[in-house]
Amino acid sequence: EAGVTQSPTHLIKTRGQQATLRCSPISGHTSVYWYQQALGLGLQFLLWYDEGEERNRGNFPPRFSGRQFPNYSSELNVNALELEDSALYLCASTLGQQGWGYTFGSGTRLTVV
Amino acid sequence: SQQGEEDPQALSIQEGENATMNCSYKTSINNLQWYRQNSGRGLVHLILIRSNEREKHSGRLRVTLDTSKKSSSLLITASRAADTASYFCATDAWAAGNKLTFGGGTRVLVKP
Repeated sequence: EAGVTQSPTHLIKTRGQQATLRCSPISGHTSVYWYQQALGLGLQFLLWYDEGEERNRGNFPPRFSGRQFPNYSSELNVNALELEDSALYLCASTLGQQGWGYTFGSGTRLTVV
Repeated sequence: SQQGEEDPQALSIQEGENATMNCSYKTSINNLQWYRQNSGRGLVHLILIRSNEREKHSGRLRVTLDTSKKSSSLLITASRAADTASYFCATDAWAAGNKLTFGGGTRVLVKP
C-alpha cells in the first residue's frame, strides 16, 4: 500500500510568487491535514480537509489556502510568498475518525528567496 | 500555540541505554500520540494512547499517560544508533477541533 505522497520534494520560489503543494493520502483515508514546520517554530497546524470540505483552519493568514478533490487528494496554495514562509510543509492523512494515528508524507521543503 | 511541552529538549545517550522523554499538556484530551522524525523529513507514528489508558507498549517503546497530571512519558529501551531522531508528542482533543497539536519535540542522539 502506498503511503502519503507529497510533491514536489523541494520548491524554490521568489518572494511575492505563488506556491502550490500537492498531497495524495493513503487509499481510503478521507481526512487530510497540512502542517508547517518552520525552523525553531515546531509543527504548526494549517488546514484540515475531510470529505472535500475545509473543517478547521490554523492561525495563518488567508493567503494560505487549499482544497480537497473528490479523490481526497489535496492542494495547498500559498500566495504572495514571504521569506518567513520558508519551511517544511507536511501533509498527513487519517481515516477521519477520532483515535487513529496519522500517516505523514515526507514533506515539501519550500524555500522563498 | 503548543499544547504539549516536551522535556528535555535534547538528550544524548550511549547505545544500549534507555531514553526517557516527557510531555506535558494543558487541556483534556481524547488521546496522545508519539511521533518520530528523522532529519527534518516526514513524521512516523509510533504509538497512540487513549485518555482511559495508563500504559502502552510497542516493541522497545513504553508510553505512560497520567491524565491527572496532564503528562505522558516515552521510554525507549536498549537504544540503538538508528533511534537517533526527534520525538514529538501530539494531543488529540475535541476542544482543539479534531486536529493534532504538537509539542516542541525532543532531539535524541544515540552514540554508537
